Amino acid sequence: SAVISQKPSRDICQRGTSLTIQCQVDSQVTMMFWYRQQPGQSLTLIATANQGSEATYESGFVIDKFPISRPNLTFSTLTVSNMSPEDSSIYLCSVERVGYTFGSGTRLTVV
Amino acid sequence: GENVEQHPSTLSVQEGDSAVIKCTYSDSASNYFPWYKQELGKGPQLIIDIRSNVGEKKDQRIAVTLNKTAKHFSLHITETQPEDSAVYFCAASPLNAGNMLTFGGGTRLMVKP
Repeated sequence: SAVISQKPSRDICQRGTSLTIQCQVDSQVTMMFWYRQQPGQSLTLIATANQGSEATYESGFVIDKFPISRPNLTFSTLTVSNMSPEDSSIYLCSVERVGYTFGSGTRLTVV
Repeated sequence: GENVEQHPSTLSVQEGDSAVIKCTYSDSASNYFPWYKQELGKGPQLIIDIRSNVGEKKDQRIAVTLNKTAKHFSLHITETQPEDSAVYFCAASPLNAGNMLTFGGGTRLMVKP
């Protein structure tokens, strides 16, 4: 399975600011997935990121709020823009390579 | 789209007892069913998975069973230990390129010593 390095592991941010989360994979993958896990909840897919094309967003998530970059086959970023306390969650990236592997997550608290 | 339901939401067992967590799914196209364990402050870790061409799979104390006709699958943990305490998630996916996982709501398992 793939090894994923995600950072930052946690952050506390002021409302109205933005945070960019990075995800680095140890091998080339076609698809990278970004999930949100609200406190005490399950995982919800935000978007699927392909290299060289626009990310595909799930219902309820928009590019202006969660812009995604995918500059190459081993790296992606997710930005949480104009944050509010409701954005406080764990954000996780995932790749599919002989099963789906997850990064360790970014625990975001917005104050 | 796929909908995955998971029960129970919390489960408390005595050390050494067995624990069973059940999931149902809605999309007959799903053919890949992983189980994840998530400890506090960590990302989900894959513990076992099963594909639709298999009815049961076992790995030491952990087993998963799948009933494709009824669209349900279960996780069985035998001889539970305190370190098994965590949140467990089931998921389902059509395992083709670009298909993401749909997760169940999670089960908080507590193993009492």
